[in-house]
Amino acid sequence: QVQLQESDPGLVKPSQTLSLTCSVSGASIRSSGFLWSWVRQSPGKALEWLGSISYSGTTKYNPSLRDRLSISADPSARQFSLSLTSTSAADTALYFCARVFHDNLMNLDYFDYWGRGTRVTVSS
Amino acid sequence: DIQISQSPSSLSASVGDRVTITCRTSQNIRTYLNWYQHKPGESPKLLVYATSILHTGVLSRFKGSGTGTSFTLTITGLQPEDFATYFCQQTFSDVFTFGGGTTVE
Repeated sequence: QVQLQESDPGLVKPSQTLSLTCSVSGASIRSSGFLWSWVRQSPGKALEWLGSISYSGTTKYNPSLRDRLSISADPSARQFSLSLTSTSAADTALYFCARVFHDNLMNLDYFDYWGRGTRVTVSS
Repeated sequence: DIQISQSPSSLSASVGDRVTITCRTSQNIRTYLNWYQHKPGESPKLLVYATSILHTGVLSRFKGSGTGTSFTLTITGLQPEDFATYFCQQTFSDVFTFGGGTTVE
């Protein structure tokens, strides 16, 4: 059974860096055919895809956050991480990590496993 | 980015009802549309991918349809465990986007 669990940073002060880790069990981050993603939902807004990292370490970011966002992975630790710099109140959200099934041939992607989400508040 | 308009934002239903949720996209995404179910405090669950393919273990009362810019999720014979928020997602473009969600209450 694949399970993902986000770390809990809680409160982050404005301008500081938000760091989140997703711990994966029941699957290997090294497996081809999957991407590992971060998604967030700000209060009253739709879900927003932030970015993904592949088993080979290739990253893809939402252009709206590209200058501030970095995603990395530590396959031996079965974890992947998000780092978001220069945070503001606009980054207050429920953050999810998810596994993405990715079929290159069919150009097919779907998020087959998610974490429960971790609530992050950016406030002084 | 491809915008998704999901409707309704909420609906009231009873056990046994047929429920229909619609997503409309700002451009043609062929059939690259997924549906998820989310209950508070739980992880979102994949229901349907590629418009109409049920994910493993998803019961047949869920049905996805559509193509191009208009897509529908239909739940036939609503069950107590189906009261949740449903959202759609397009994966046609490199920047994945989501609908605003529909809460079935």
